[in-house]
Amino acid sequence: ETGVTQTPRHLVMGMTNKKSLKCEQHLGHNAMYWYKQSAKKPLELMFVYSLEERVENNSVPSRFSPECPNSSHLFLHLHTLQPEDSALYLCASSPGLAEDNEQFFGPGTRLTVL
Amino acid sequence: GQNIDQPTEMTATEGAIVQINCTYQTSGFNGLFWYQQHAGEAPTFLSYNVLDGLEEKGRFSSFLSRSKGYSYLLLKELQMKDSASYLCAVRDGDYKLSFGAGTTVTVRA
Repeated sequence: ETGVTQTPRHLVMGMTNKKSLKCEQHLGHNAMYWYKQSAKKPLELMFVYSLEERVENNSVPSRFSPECPNSSHLFLHLHTLQPEDSALYLCASSPGLAEDNEQFFGPGTRLTVL
Repeated sequence: GQNIDQPTEMTATEGAIVQINCTYQTSGFNGLFWYQQHAGEAPTFLSYNVLDGLEEKGRFSSFLSRSKGYSYLLLKELQMKDSASYLCAVRDGDYKLSFGAGTTVTVRA
């Protein structure tokens, strides 16, 4: 257990559905991240929040919409996704944004878009 | 863009040593991380190098040469539970991590 939980662990959705991924960290961290991990590809940073403010939006399509209501919770709202969006979505947190702060990852949500 | 290269797969025998190389070409450098990821699980932190040299943590060691843009992760006395994917990641700015595609290590009895 890394102290970062994600729900659901698996999600199958159609292209017209709307769903949300949830991440919660129990570590008292101030920074939270969303990554996309596709098969055989590097992790791609999607969004970064620090103290509930978005500090990074890495050219992610608008069909992905993040929300950070407080420093412990992070959501990723999904709508009108495409099959190529099928991937493992990982949430991470770190104490802050300092250089030597390691990131603690959750187990991910395996998303399949039909 | 950032370029981080590591081998796709490696196989080794239980009790042996395996070295996973990582080369990087990034616009900046503020440290290099190694993570371990078992199938279906979260990546977990293994090591952090920001200065040249070797960092040792039990059976795992990580080396960095900033002038060569090169790092390696050394796994000694391999155990079956070490079968996993190993991710090299470079912090190239304030907080952004750029990851390699990962090296899948298979340990055989």
